[in-house]
Amino acid sequence: NAGVMQNPRHLVRRRGQEARLRCSPMKGHSHVYWYRQLPEEGLKFMVYLQKENIIDESGMPKERFSAEFPKEGPSILRIQQVVRGDSAAYFCASSPLGESPLHFGNGTRLTVT
Amino acid sequence: AQSVTQLDSQVPVFEEAPVELRCNYSSSVSVYLFWYVQYPNQGLQLLLKYLSGSTLVESINGFEAEFNKSQTSFHLRKPSVHISDTAEYFCAVSERNQGGKLIFGQGTELSVKP
Repeated sequence: NAGVMQNPRHLVRRRGQEARLRCSPMKGHSHVYWYRQLPEEGLKFMVYLQKENIIDESGMPKERFSAEFPKEGPSILRIQQVVRGDSAAYFCASSPLGESPLHFGNGTRLTVT
Repeated sequence: AQSVTQLDSQVPVFEEAPVELRCNYSSSVSVYLFWYVQYPNQGLQLLLKYLSGSTLVESINGFEAEFNKSQTSFHLRKPSVHISDTAEYFCAVSERNQGGKLIFGQGTELSVKP
């Protein structure tokens, strides 16, 4: 019974490039959450998605960040024109009914050089 | 707005000693409470949760936490720690109608020394 799968585990991008982070939720889970963990900080909520719908994006930066969860395939968190301040660990979590508790993936650690 | 405060950023302790990791929250509505553990370079694993019912909740590896509504606290305790308990521990809260939208504390790094 595979858990939440995130890839890549590590991603290095130069300033100005695009970063794409993928998340496959647990089997049977149709609710996905993205969180960001900046160095020395706790996790901060970014966005909550169901299949083909964004439910709550109140934690997403206003520019350069977008997320989707298509009918088929993984959820994607996309960061355009990355800057050094985007360096962080990005965690995806899923749940079957959009309620706690959440099951977390191992994260993607983005480094912007 | 909700917030979670973990009062200690680092807690060093010797093996087999007791430990308490403190967590206080603020919220104007009813909440669910959680403790998650994060081992190095891994994701978060749910340690225990309070949803309703008994205010004392326990995990399978000896941790327990008690929900204290009057003090708005959810402190995590273990009577005797092991080296393998070394990790970062996060307290989190969600509103009962907010599903999986969690508000996390800053984390407490537990370091167990032999």
